[in-house]
Amino acid sequence: DAGVTQSPTHLIKTRGQQVTLRCSPKSGHDTVSWYQQALGQGPQFIFQYYEEEERQRGNFPDRFSGHQFPNYSSELNVNALLLGDSALYLCASSRLWVATQETQYFGPGTRLLVL
Amino acid sequence: ELKVEQNPLFLSMQEGKNYTIYCNYSTTSDRLYWYRQDPGKSLESLFVLLSNGAVKQEGRLMASLDTKARLSTLHITAAVHDLSATYFCAVDRNYQLIWGAGTKLIIKP
Repeated sequence: DAGVTQSPTHLIKTRGQQVTLRCSPKSGHDTVSWYQQALGQGPQFIFQYYEEEERQRGNFPDRFSGHQFPNYSSELNVNALLLGDSALYLCASSRLWVATQETQYFGPGTRLLVL
Repeated sequence: ELKVEQNPLFLSMQEGKNYTIYCNYSTTSDRLYWYRQDPGKSLESLFVLLSNGAVKQEGRLMASLDTKARLSTLHITAAVHDLSATYFCAVDRNYQLIWGAGTKLIIKP
């Protein structure tokens, strides 16, 4: 089992550009969540996808959008990049949560630097 | 608004000592998680706590949950250098995780 994979690992963009980050969930998982982690801080929830629909969304502007494909993989798109978007972007996968001891498994992250 | 507070934010300790990290949260929640993050790395799940009074142990780490006090603790017993990392607690709110700021733990030989 390859676990959660993300690509690319690192990315450098300039202000105003657009970026797409990709995530493949752990085998057997159907739910993908995206988080932004600024340096020295805890992760911030961006949104979660299940059955190709956005299920929950955190306090992020519409510049942040996503997609989930039928194979459960997901993309995170950020438009009109700002310097403050520089962060580690983490993808986490899980099975649709019920009252069981489920946890989210995190990928290695994509480190985005906006210049 | 659900807020999660950890303390201390930074902890430097000697090998062999015991210490506790605290995680307070502001509203009720069904689940609380502890994760570990090494520098430049992703997040590794340590514990999932689901009910009041839940206690879980793995090696030198033990986590507990008091839902009435809205408090979770992560206790480190006889610390070793390999436990140096940043530890996060996270609370579930409608299927999204709300995270604490993390506790950076440095264990000196």
